[in-house]
Amino acid sequence: EDQVTQSPEALRLQEGESSSLNCSYTVSGLRGLFWYRQDPGKGPEFLFTLYSAGEEKEKERLKATLTKKESFLHITAPKPEDSATYLCAVQARYSGGSNYKLTFGKGTLLTVNP
Amino acid sequence: EAQVTQNPRYLITVTGKKLTVTCSQNMNHEYMSWYRQDPGLGLRQIYYSMNVEVTDKGDVPEGYKVSRKEKRNFPLILESPSPNQTSLYFCASSPWPKTYEQYFGPGTRLTVT
Repeated sequence: EDQVTQSPEALRLQEGESSSLNCSYTVSGLRGLFWYRQDPGKGPEFLFTLYSAGEEKEKERLKATLTKKESFLHITAPKPEDSATYLCAVQARYSGGSNYKLTFGKGTLLTVNP
Repeated sequence: EAQVTQNPRYLITVTGKKLTVTCSQNMNHEYMSWYRQDPGLGLRQIYYSMNVEVTDKGDVPEGYKVSRKEKRNFPLILESPSPNQTSLYFCASSPWPKTYEQYFGPGTRLTVT
């Protein structure tokens, strides 16, 4: 069974204080790993897709990296508007069947104080 | 604007009263899916659809029905809602097989009393 574990559950930073969020996964063949941002009461907003170990993606203050067992979301010099829940999800590459579902972690609640 | 829309956004109903939550996307995506989000449990897939007239169960399909008669629409049907179906529901679509990321709607908050 696919599993995704995110840590920490909550992280509080001061504005400008860089840090990283972790996503550990267990999947029988990875098709893709996805990062989403979710604001309270809203739908998850797609950030990145990573397909293979060693791949990196960047967007503004965010950088996502991938190894064979985990992914990191690095936040450089965060601002208060970066406060949100960050979700990691994996999609498995099945040898048979047709389910392209995402298995989500429970998220990391990031709070950036001014 | 490319988007996934859901209606209604908020719904309070009573046990056993059939309801439908609509979902529509304007991105010409083949793949659509429904999720529910509960505190402590995260997002869990209910049903998904790879194409028109093709649907299949996700992790928590009990008590739900779906249909995909048109490419852009994927309604979620609760024929006899129960209080344990009180949740925040999200519809999503994906440009599969081109890429696999999913784009989510704004959510429907359902309360069943």
